[in-house]
Amino acid sequence: GDSVTQMEGPVTLSEEAFLTINCTYTATGYPSLFWYVQYPGEGLQLLLKATKADDKGSNKGFEATYRKETTSFHLEKGSVQVSDSAVYFCALSDPGGYQKVTFGTGTKLQVIP
Amino acid sequence: GAVVSQHPSRVICKSGTSVKIECRSLDFQATTMFWYRQFPKQSLMLMATSNEGSKATYEQGVEKDKFLINHASLTLSTLTVTSAHPEDSSFYICSARVGGDYSNQPQHFGDGTRLSIL
Repeated sequence: GDSVTQMEGPVTLSEEAFLTINCTYTATGYPSLFWYVQYPGEGLQLLLKATKADDKGSNKGFEATYRKETTSFHLEKGSVQVSDSAVYFCALSDPGGYQKVTFGTGTKLQVIP
Repeated sequence: GAVVSQHPSRVICKSGTSVKIECRSLDFQATTMFWYRQFPKQSLMLMATSNEGSKATYEQGVEKDKFLINHASLTLSTLTVTSAHPEDSSFYICSARVGGDYSNQPQHFGDGTRLSIL
């Protein structure tokens, strides 16, 4: 079945540091890929998405590129802020039927001033 | 656009009580909604797929008699935790997708319901 593997956290960075959170996936067919962010005590918010190979999703300074050859969708940001502290989930949606979403285990990011 | 509203945001109740959680798509119609459960420091686990006008599809290991799902309209799905016990305490989140079942759109999530059973 489908699965998503992302790096374990927590990740602690200083403000303005470069962020990479690795994500790889296993899926049949051609899934859509997503990054969601969850702030403390809140639900999930879509951060960015990519629907086909070589697509780059970007939002709020974050970006991720759909790499079919390496089955990866790593999240990057050039300069993190304290307000970016949250849990980040990599996810995929299978292309058929109800398009169930499979989530990774989440990576907690803590940015310190 | 694409707002999903979930209510209530927090529930604290005694063991044995049944609790209903509502999930509404505010500005779009959703033939399919999804219910997830999140344990502390863990990822979201899909519980069931809620289908408007028909029975929900439950994931393996989820008790359908324990977690009753009703998708009464194109904008409302409800999850009822029947005779809740402390082990049912968790964070429950619903989601819905814009554009129907076969669209390539992402899911949009409600803010979740924190259920605490004493």
